Amino acid sequence: SQKIEQNSEALNIQEGKTATLTCNYTNYSPAYLQWYRQDPGRGPVFLLLIRENEKEKRKERLKVTFDTTLKQSLFHITASQPADSATYLCALEPSSYNTDKLIFGTGTRLQVFP
Amino acid sequence: DARVTQTPRHKVTEMGQEVTMRCQPILGHNTVFWYRQTMMQGLELLAYFRNRAPLDDSGMPKDRFSAEMPDATLATLKIQPSEPRDSAVYFCASVGERYQETQYFGPGTRLLVL
Repeated sequence: SQKIEQNSEALNIQEGKTATLTCNYTNYSPAYLQWYRQDPGRGPVFLLLIRENEKEKRKERLKVTFDTTLKQSLFHITASQPADSATYLCALEPSSYNTDKLIFGTGTRLQVFP
Repeated sequence: DARVTQTPRHKVTEMGQEVTMRCQPILGHNTVFWYRQTMMQGLELLAYFRNRAPLDDSGMPKDRFSAEMPDATLATLKIQPSEPRDSAVYFCASVGERYQETQYFGPGTRLLVL
């Protein structure tokens, strides 16, 4: 069956460290993968998009990698801050869709403590 | 500051009642998505429209849910009759015309069916 898996357990890290979140998928051939941030009581907010032919994408303290052989994306936040505490969702569009339709993972909650 | 708006933000109703949720996509966005989010299932796609035409509603229970776009500035999601298992947060998201664009989410409607 087709699945997108993110760590269901919360990730707790100390301020200043690098947070690394994992997104694994099975039985998809995604055209691209996106990462979103969701704060309590709010809708998801787009952070980064990485395409199937890209290995890495950066934006300020954020970095996303995409390994289509391992079927995995890693999301890194360097020099993490308490304000980075939120739930992070990965989402992909299976290349067969070509419709902007996204399949979301269940998200990983990140808690950065001082 | 363009954003997706949703009404109502909160809704408490009794089982068997009709529920209508509304969404105003970002002006100029031609694709609108309806999602449901629960702790157990995460973010699930219910239906989506492009240029007001329904493209896919396979994620929606057909016997009680219906989605429409009466015009380009309004999307509606109705549940009739509502059941306690429909309790969730319902999000609307919109996308512009370019393929692989980010989805912009509304703040959601938190529905509780007693």
